[in-house]
Amino acid sequence: NAGVTQTPKFQVLKTGQSMTLQCAQDMNHNSMYWYRQDPGMGLRLIYYSASEGTTDKGEVPNGYNVSRLNKREFSLRLESAAPSQTSVYFCASSESGQGLPYEQYFGPGTRLTVT
Amino acid sequence: KQEVTQIPAALSVPEGENLVLNCSFTDSAIYNLQWFRQDPGKGLTSLLLIQSSQREQTSGRLNASLDKSSGRSTLYIAASQPGDSATYLCAVRRFEGTYKYIFGTGTRLKVLA
Repeated sequence: NAGVTQTPKFQVLKTGQSMTLQCAQDMNHNSMYWYRQDPGMGLRLIYYSASEGTTDKGEVPNGYNVSRLNKREFSLRLESAAPSQTSVYFCASSESGQGLPYEQYFGPGTRLTVT
Repeated sequence: KQEVTQIPAALSVPEGENLVLNCSFTDSAIYNLQWFRQDPGKGLTSLLLIQSSQREQTSGRLNASLDKSSGRSTLYIAASQPGDSATYLCAVRRFEGTYKYIFGTGTRLKVLA
């Protein structure tokens, strides 16, 4: 039981390049999330998927796209990377449904630098 | 708009001390509140989750309380150890068009041996 896994762990991009961050969970959770963490800003929600086939924008969605490939996998794509997207990216998952606690479980993060 | 504040931003205490970390939120309409621990360069580890209907949760040396009416939660750590050194984050879950978690910026704790 690996929990939430993310790849890659580190990435350096040049401005304008594109890349996809991968996330997978093996806890059979319906809900998955992408956050970014910046110094002094806390974690901010980029996109959210309540269930397979649905996605919603979070607080800071501009410059990103997501795909909920199946129940296990939720990817985050940067189409044209900008230095402002230098950050640590975390994927998380949680149960969903009436009466459930919605406790979030996090992956180890991807450190992205855009030069 | 919900805002979550954690004060102090950093704290150093000698080993063995009991300590309290604070989390304040501006809107009491929350579904739950979750406390996390984050070690440097690592992801977040869930410590305790308190449902909106609960007053407190305990796990080992940790006790988290929730007072929705005053918009406060505290994380109590008993008999602190150097291994407790980490950043502690709180997050509230609420509905803002969709279900969201709003995070505080964390308290960086250092326990001195």
